Amino acid sequence: GAVVSQHPSRVICKSGTSVKIECRSLDFQATTMFWYRQFPKQSLMLMATSNEGSKATYEQGVEKDKFLINHASLTLSTLTVTSAHPEDSSFYICSAAPTGGGEKLFFGSGTQLSVL
Amino acid sequence: GENVEQHPSTLSVQEGDSAVIKCTYSDSASNYFPWYKQELGKRPQLIIDIRSNVGEKKDQRIAVTLNKTAKHFSLHITETQPEDSAVYFCAKRNQFYFGTGTSLTVIP
Repeated sequence: GAVVSQHPSRVICKSGTSVKIECRSLDFQATTMFWYRQFPKQSLMLMATSNEGSKATYEQGVEKDKFLINHASLTLSTLTVTSAHPEDSSFYICSAAPTGGGEKLFFGSGTQLSVL
Repeated sequence: GENVEQHPSTLSVQEGDSAVIKCTYSDSASNYFPWYKQELGKRPQLIIDIRSNVGEKKDQRIAVTLNKTAKHFSLHITETQPEDSAVYFCAKRNQFYFGTGTSLTVIP
């Protein structure tokens, strides 16, 4: 089946620093990737939709300048949390929809971000 | 973001009993309805999905039913086993908004 790789799986950083998370589709091309945030025992909250070659579409309430998304190729999307604060600590997970492959969505393994 | 209404938020059943989780949506454009299972600290896994042109789909102990008129779809798990314990999410196209989640516990 389709595989989505997400790195790092866990990161601890100091307040004020930036953290980059990578999401790669290993065996398929993905024109569209999605970034979610998940708090413990809660649902996946869609943060933004990443489109290859164009600007990401952010959900209401998500700061574009804080959560920078780049989707430079059909297999890679990155999320950069800039000037991280403790309240940004969360589980971030990406997903990818195969180009021309229907509606199925495949998830990365997630990144647990802890900001000290 | 736009979430899908999902009930119940928690569900405990005895092993062997059935579990039913329901999701309600509001727009008429949705035509694909997947269900995901997420174990603690792991990625969501697609377990079953249904398209709007059918009313029911079954895969062994798991089934999904769709009522387009009432705009709700349900996940049915029969003969539950302890390994079914997890959080279950429904979702709807087009932007893959997820339901609020149901924590299912199967008691041995």
